[in-house]
Amino acid sequence: AQSVTQLDSHVSVSEGTPVLLRCNYSSSYSPSLFWYVQHPNKGLQLLLKYTSAATLVKGINGFEAEFKKSETSFHLTKPSAHMSDAAEYFCVVSQTSYYGNNRLAFGKGNQVVVIP
Amino acid sequence: DVKVTQSSRYLVKRTGEKVFLECVQDMDHENMFWYRQDPGLGLRLIYFSYDVKMKEKGDIPEGYSVSREKKERFSLILESASTNQTSMYLCASSLWGGDTEAFFGQGTRLTVV
Repeated sequence: AQSVTQLDSHVSVSEGTPVLLRCNYSSSYSPSLFWYVQHPNKGLQLLLKYTSAATLVKGINGFEAEFKKSETSFHLTKPSAHMSDAAEYFCVVSQTSYYGNNRLAFGKGNQVVVIP
Repeated sequence: DVKVTQSSRYLVKRTGEKVFLECVQDMDHENMFWYRQDPGLGLRLIYFSYDVKMKEKGDIPEGYSVSREKKERFSLILESASTNQTSMYLCASSLWGGDTEAFFGQGTRLTVV
């Protein structure tokens, strides 16, 4: 079964400094990978997704992620953190079910705190 | 815009009660999902459905059942609520296919007392 690992459950960054959230996946074939963000008391929102096209994926709010097959990684970055980036971030891999359909497997999340 | 609507934002139920959580999507999506979210555990899949009357168990189905009688509606049922089912429940929907994003509802925070 496919899965993702997110280290560093809590990440603190200073406003204006780079953000790096690490994600490693396991998959028996080329996966689809996603990053979602959840702001306090809000639903989950898609930041970006990788689906075997370009390996560097740009998302909303200045975030981007690079798919590295050799490292089985899909790390999320942003050059300069903003206070509004304080949220929880989830790395997600698409799994194929018994019936051939796909479902999403979530990592445990990174809680990001931005320090003024 | 895709809209996934969960019937309640907050619910308080008593131990042993039968609880229904309702979810409706308006984009004709084939797939619908129920997750529970707990601090430090991320989102864990309870059940999902890829068609009307079709369902598949997720990672933590024990104590839950689901119903999908119409394409747009997916219900989660707690047959006999217990305190360890106190959690945030999230419904999602997506088109068929591994590279399609899922759209989430706002969540239902269920407290079982």
